[in-house]
Amino acid sequence: AQSVTQPDIHITVSEGASLELRCNYSYGATPYLFWYVQSPGQGLQLLLKYFSGDTLVQGIKGFEAEFKRSQSSFNLRKPSVHWSDAAEYFCAVVGGSGNTPLVFGKGTRLSVIA
Amino acid sequence: DSGVTQTPKHLITATGQRVTLRCSPRSGDLSVYWYQQSLDQGLQFLIQYYNGEERAKGNILERFSAQQFPDLHSELNLSSLELGDSALYFCASSVSGRALSGYTFGSGTRLTVV
Repeated sequence: AQSVTQPDIHITVSEGASLELRCNYSYGATPYLFWYVQSPGQGLQLLLKYFSGDTLVQGIKGFEAEFKRSQSSFNLRKPSVHWSDAAEYFCAVVGGSGNTPLVFGKGTRLSVIA
Repeated sequence: DSGVTQTPKHLITATGQRVTLRCSPRSGDLSVYWYQQSLDQGLQFLIQYYNGEERAKGNILERFSAQQFPDLHSELNLSSLELGDSALYFCASSVSGRALSGYTFGSGTRLTVV
């Protein structure tokens, strides 16, 4: 069965600084990978997804993620963080043909300081 | 507004009681997923319905049950409630029964059992 590990529970960055959130997955074949963001009191919103092809995917709000098969990773990046990016970020995976429900990591909480 | 409506937003009830959480999927979406979010367990998949039929089952307790009605709205029934059932319960919907088509999440129902 597939699983996701987000090693960082909480990260604090300064506004304007770059950001990288880590995600490692466990799955025998090529997985389908997702990043979601949850703002306080809100549901989860899809930031970006990787199915195949170019390993660098662009998402909304200026985020990007890179799939690295050799490292079983799908890290989320943003070159310059804004205060409004403070939220909880979830990496998710689904394997096979995508017929099984998404499996989520436990999330990384991002705080942004001035 | 994501298009997925969950009611109620907050629910406070006593141990041993039974509650019903309701979810209306985004217009056109046939599949509904229920997730439980707690601090220690993260986002745990409970159950999925597709066009009225149960499609997948996750870590759902026997005290919990769900159904999807002909108009595609879904209800999650939680009975014999325990303190540990306190959590945020999310509903998500998708067009098909596949995770690849993307999930749209509601803003959740926060359940507090006292």
